[in-house]
Amino acid sequence: EVQLLESGGGLVQPGGSLRLSCVASGFSFSDHAMGWVRQAPGKGLEWISGIRETGRSTYSADSVKGRFTISRHNSKNTLYLQMNSLRGDDTAIYYCARGMGPLVYQVNFDQWGQGTLVFVSS
Amino acid sequence: QSVLTQPPSASGTPGQRVTISCSGSTSNIGSNTVNWYQHLPGTAPKLLIYSNNQRPSGVPDRFSGSKSGTSASLAISGLLAEDEGDYYCAAWEDSLNGGVFGGGTKLTVL
Repeated sequence: EVQLLESGGGLVQPGGSLRLSCVASGFSFSDHAMGWVRQAPGKGLEWISGIRETGRSTYSADSVKGRFTISRHNSKNTLYLQMNSLRGDDTAIYYCARGMGPLVYQVNFDQWGQGTLVFVSS
Repeated sequence: QSVLTQPPSASGTPGQRVTISCSGSTSNIGSNTVNWYQHLPGTAPKLLIYSNNQRPSGVPDRFSGSKSGTSASLAISGLLAEDEGDYYCAAWEDSLNGGVFGGGTKLTVL
């Protein structure tokens, strides 16, 4: 059974940092692109970052570019999102998602984690 | 405001067919494939349609997708109460070099 288990969310002050992790199981992690998608309270889904199966290519939305960094450790079956300089509008549920294949640009996430809540507030 | 435009709401009665549109441009839908997601309250999003019109295994054939030029549509036939929720289109945006979701359409089953 495919599973994606996020962790690392919580309450953080504006300007602070958090690192989200997503541990994958039940499939060959190194064969798939991965991504992070978030949903702010009362808002829709927002694609924020994607990474190719090898980890050599990464892509990020303008809203997080320069502040968030996506990475992966294939031998640990783990995806990461390092979030720095957090702002109030970063408050959201953050989902880890698996691409159907190795390519990020297809935006076809066929497996999702249950999400982890990040709350940015003083 | 998203680069992919969806109607904020749609509705239908059980058994009806409803369609949800997604309007984009040459730099997203016009040059890349479209995917559709269902997001029901309290659950993780679910991929309904990929590559414009393909259904992942397990998705009922009541759901279908199409694309023409810079627009795409999701059709749901034989509407069920359990279909009530939010629906999103998504595609790659070449000018941003990143993915984009539509603003979402809230489907109500009357």
